[in-house]
Amino acid sequence: ELKVEQNPLFLSMQEGKNYTIYCNYSTTSDRLYWYRQDPGKSLESLFVLLSNGAVKQEGRLMASLDTKARLSTLHITAAVHDLSATYFCAVEETSGSRLTFGEGTQLTVNP
Amino acid sequence: GAGVSQSPRYKVAKRGQDVALRCDPISGHVSLFWYQQALGQGPEFLTYFQNEAQLDKSGLPSDRFFAERPEGSVSTLKIQRTQQEDSAVYLCASSLGKTGTRLNEKLFFGSGTQLSVL
Repeated sequence: ELKVEQNPLFLSMQEGKNYTIYCNYSTTSDRLYWYRQDPGKSLESLFVLLSNGAVKQEGRLMASLDTKARLSTLHITAAVHDLSATYFCAVEETSGSRLTFGEGTQLTVNP
Repeated sequence: GAGVSQSPRYKVAKRGQDVALRCDPISGHVSLFWYQQALGQGPEFLTYFQNEAQLDKSGLPSDRFFAERPEGSVSTLKIQRTQQEDSAVYLCASSLGKTGTRLNEKLFFGSGTQLSVL
């Protein structure tokens, strides 16, 4: 059974600071996704990582994937309040259909 | 609108009541998923349709849960004899792709139906 673990689960940081969210998973997969969810809203796709060594950047967020270590990171640079949300990583099973999500990291950026 | 639409947005049910949750996927999308998201947790897979065919229902937690997509577009998730543990947000997602292609690369989620069972 595929397991996906994120840490930290809760992150409170000041504006302007940098931090990294980690996503570990338990079985072989080379497809990993990051989503953002605002309270009461749906999931918004942030990054799609499809191979070992993949790195994607959008604004203050950068995601990477190491399939050998079964690890993905979401790095936040110079955080701003607008980044406050819950971030989920999700791993695609080898069957190519269902996603297995982590528990989510609730990020709060304080002024 | 062009997104995935779910209704109702909120549903309160008494324990033992049957409920039906509707999902209108993006027009033309072949793949449709249902996920269950408990409070403070990540979404968990329930079932997957490719057109009208239910290809995977292994995530449905019990035989009280039933999903259908008879014409390959709108889908309904039905929960019979609701229990308190069924309280969650039920998310629907659709994609143009299908198994064997990169269907999750362009997966669009609806806003969900929040079900509360009293």
